[in-house]
Amino acid sequence: ETGVTQSPTHLIKTRGQQVTLRCSSQSGHNTVSWYQQALGQGPQFIFQYYREEENGRGNFPPRFSGLQFPNYSSELNVNALELDDSALYLCASSLDTTGGYGYTFGSGTRLTVV
Amino acid sequence: GENVEQHPSTLSVQEGDSAVIKCTYSDSASNYFPWYKQELGKGPQLIIDIRSNVGEKKDQRIAVTLNKTAKHFSLHITETQPEDSAVYFCAASIPNNNDMRFGAGTRLTVKP
Repeated sequence: ETGVTQSPTHLIKTRGQQVTLRCSSQSGHNTVSWYQQALGQGPQFIFQYYREEENGRGNFPPRFSGLQFPNYSSELNVNALELDDSALYLCASSLDTTGGYGYTFGSGTRLTVV
Repeated sequence: GENVEQHPSTLSVQEGDSAVIKCTYSDSASNYFPWYKQELGKGPQLIIDIRSNVGEKKDQRIAVTLNKTAKHFSLHITETQPEDSAVYFCAASIPNNNDMRFGAGTRLTVKP
C-alpha cells in the first residue's frame, strides 16, 4: 500500500508567477484535500476534491484552484503568487469526504515566494 | 464555523514523564477528533482518534479523552521517550462538512 506522494518537495517562485503542485493519493482513497501550513501554525483547509469535482472550500481566494484526475491524483494551482503564499502545502487523501476515518498526509511541498 | 484552540504551544518534559496536551472546540456538532504528530520535514501523521460516542481511547502509551459537555479533548502520552519529540496537532471534524479544523500545534520536547 503506497502512501501519499507530493511533488515537487521544494519550490521557489517570484511574486506574480503561477505554480502547480501535484499529489498522488494513497491506494484505495478517492478523496483529496489540500491544506496550507504557514510556519508555526496548524494546517488550514484550502479545498477538497471528490469524483473530480471541488467538494468544499476554505477561506481562500479563487486564484487557488485545483483538479482531480480519474486515478484520484490531484493538482493545486495558484495564480498571481503573493509573498504570503509562502508556506508548506499539504495534500491529504481519505476514504471518504468527511475525513471521519482520518487523513493520510503527504510530506508536503515547501513553496517560497520571493 | 468550528474553532479549535490548543494548549500549551510548547511543552518540555523529562524522559519517562507524562505529557498532556489540551484542545477545545466550539461547534457541538463536531463528532470526530484526531491527533496528528508532525516531525521535521514530514507531513502530519495520524496517531490516535476518538469519536463523540466514546469518552476515552488508549493505544499503548497514548490515550485521548473527550468531554463533550465541556467541548474539550486531551492527548496523554505516558513514559515519554526522546522520539516522541515533535509537533502535535489536534483537529475536529464536523459531519456533512468537508473541512477538518486543526489547532495551532504543540511543540513537545522530551529531554533524555
